[in-house]
Amino acid sequence: GAVVSQHPSWVICKSGTSVKIECRSLDFQATTMFWYRQFPKQSLMLMATSNEGSKATYEQGVEKDKFLINHASLTLSTLTVTSAHPEDSSFYICSALRVSYYEQYFGPGTRLTVT
Amino acid sequence: KQEVTQIPAALSVPEGENLVLNCSFTDSAIYNLQWFRQDPGKGLTSLLLIQSSQREQTSGRLNASLDKSSGRSTLYIAASQPGDSATYLCAVPGGGADGLTFGKGTHLIIQP
Repeated sequence: GAVVSQHPSWVICKSGTSVKIECRSLDFQATTMFWYRQFPKQSLMLMATSNEGSKATYEQGVEKDKFLINHASLTLSTLTVTSAHPEDSSFYICSALRVSYYEQYFGPGTRLTVT
Repeated sequence: KQEVTQIPAALSVPEGENLVLNCSFTDSAIYNLQWFRQDPGKGLTSLLLIQSSQREQTSGRLNASLDKSSGRSTLYIAASQPGDSATYLCAVPGGGADGLTFGKGTHLIIQP
């Protein structure tokens, strides 16, 4: 099966600092990856689409200067939460699109807590 | 804009019962639909993927159907077990570049 990893699995940071989350497709190449956010007792909401070698596409209401996305290779996308605030505390999940099956495979998620 | 609705929001039943979870979506121009399971504080486990050309998919005690024209899907769970307790999410492509739009989920509790 297709495996997607995320690192770290959880992180606690102080308000005003930046945090980087990595998403890796371990056994397939993914030109497209997606970043989702899930607040407590809410469903997943798409934040942005990450395309290898080009700029990410952000959903309406998501600040691109706050959530920096870099898709530097066919197996790695990173999400950097800049100048984090407590309201950014959430569960962040990435997925990688396996084109041959046109199916998204999800990482295990990263729980971010900003104090 | 695609919207996904799941009914019921929560369900609690005794072990052994057969269950039906419902999902509806507003834009029928989809090429597939996925059902996921999410345990508390955990990521997603993909259960079933139905292509738009298919009517249903089966995996073990799970059976998912898709009626694209009416914008509906159902997830049937046979002979439910306590280990089936989780939140079940339905999702269809509808976000940017085929990112998924999720329903709010059905929180399922199977009583031993």
